[in-house]
Parts: sequence; structure tokens; C-alpha cells
Amino acid sequence: QKEVEQDPGPLSVPEGAIVSLNCTYSNSAFQYFMWYRQYSRKGPELLMYTYSSGNKEDGRFTAQVDKSSKYISLFIRDSQPSDSATYLCAMSDAGGTSYGKLTFGQGTILTVHP
Amino acid sequence: DSGVTQTPKHLITATGQRVTLRCSPRSGDLSVYWYQQSLDQGLQFLIQYYNGEERAKGNILERFSAQQFPDLHSELNLSSLELGDSALYFCASSVAGGRVETQYFGPGTRLLVL
Repeated sequence: QKEVEQDPGPLSVPEGAIVSLNCTYSNSAFQYFMWYRQYSRKGPELLMYTYSSGNKEDGRFTAQVDKSSKYISLFIRDSQPSDSATYLCAMSDAGGTSYGKLTFGQGTILTVHP
Repeated sequence: DSGVTQTPKHLITATGQRVTLRCSPRSGDLSVYWYQQSLDQGLQFLIQYYNGEERAKGNILERFSAQQFPDLHSELNLSSLELGDSALYFCASSVAGGRVETQYFGPGTRLLVL
């Protein structure tokens, strides 16, 4: 079983919809949670970063972390065609020798159609 | 544009061969990371360097090796190539290589082993 599980989709929604993307994880040492967006033929770029449990909002994007359930979410409000991309969750632990190592989910392919 | 450059963009080679992928980090970044992205495994951490020293290691095969040079650019060497090594290889960089830093990804090198 992978440390981080993410439904690869694909997910197709109409413009303006609310999108919910999720990941579950098994490693309780994970403390830092990130969402990356990857456009086709590009490298991933950081969207949101959250430490431990709680919510974080940035414009149309909201990240949620529930450490008790080992579950993280990304919500996109008023989705736009330009949001069409692959969304990857990523996690990092707080100790040990893993330093900057990120553990990624499989990525969810999202298409927002006009 | 993240500021991280990778060469070459594409590489086609045969099984058993050896290739070198090159990465130049963002100006001022001391840490470099290498990731492999394939359809079945997703994005996987290979190795991290900080200011020339190896800092963290992931599931990097023994046939693969990397180094970071005094000018901070990095090279990933892949030898005795197998069909299964075909993937996108990303380099990322960050300021100091800590757990909470943003990693900036390059555009990747697409490797095809025939």
C-alpha cells in the first residue's frame, strides 16, 4: 500500500463548479501538507501549503487537513477552464533524516469545461 | 517559469546505455532535488543535495547516481538503462533544503528507453 493515496480521476466538471480533491495517507509522521498543480508538459508548481491540522484559504482555493483521519482536501470554488491540470498532494514529515523529501500522491487529472 | 533549468528536454536511448541529465537551480538556491514521474508510480523522490553534499535519499536505484557541483548545478546519471526507466525526470530547487521550503520544479527531461 502506498503511503499517500489519491484518486487519479479523471474528474470533469462544468465551469463554475466547486471541485473537491482528496488524499489519504498512512504515515502519522507527516506534518506538512502541500498541493501542487501540474499543467501538461510542465513541472509541478506549489499551490497551497498547510502545517498540521486546520484550514487555509487563498482566493478560490481552500486546503483542509484532518490529521485524526489522515485525510487532506483541496477545494476549488468557481472553477475555471484555466484550472484544468493535474493536482498532486504532497507531504513531508517533521523529523528524522528525510529533510526536504516530499511524498506525492498519484495526482488527480481535472478538466473544467466551458 | 520557475527559474530551474533542465537539459536536455528529451532523450531517446537504448537499453543498456548510460545518460546524464543536467539541472541548474534557481539563483541563490543551495538545495537540489531529483524526482522521477511515471504513469504507474507517480512522482517519486530520488535524492536531495544541499551545497554539494547528499542530504536525503529516496528509492533511488543503484544504477542511478547524482552529484552537485561547486557551482551548484547537479547531474543525474542513469546507467544500464532498462525499458522501465522511461519516465519524466524532474529537478527541483529550494533555498536551504528544509522541510518547509517551497520546492521549485524545472520543466523536466523526458527519457525514452527503447
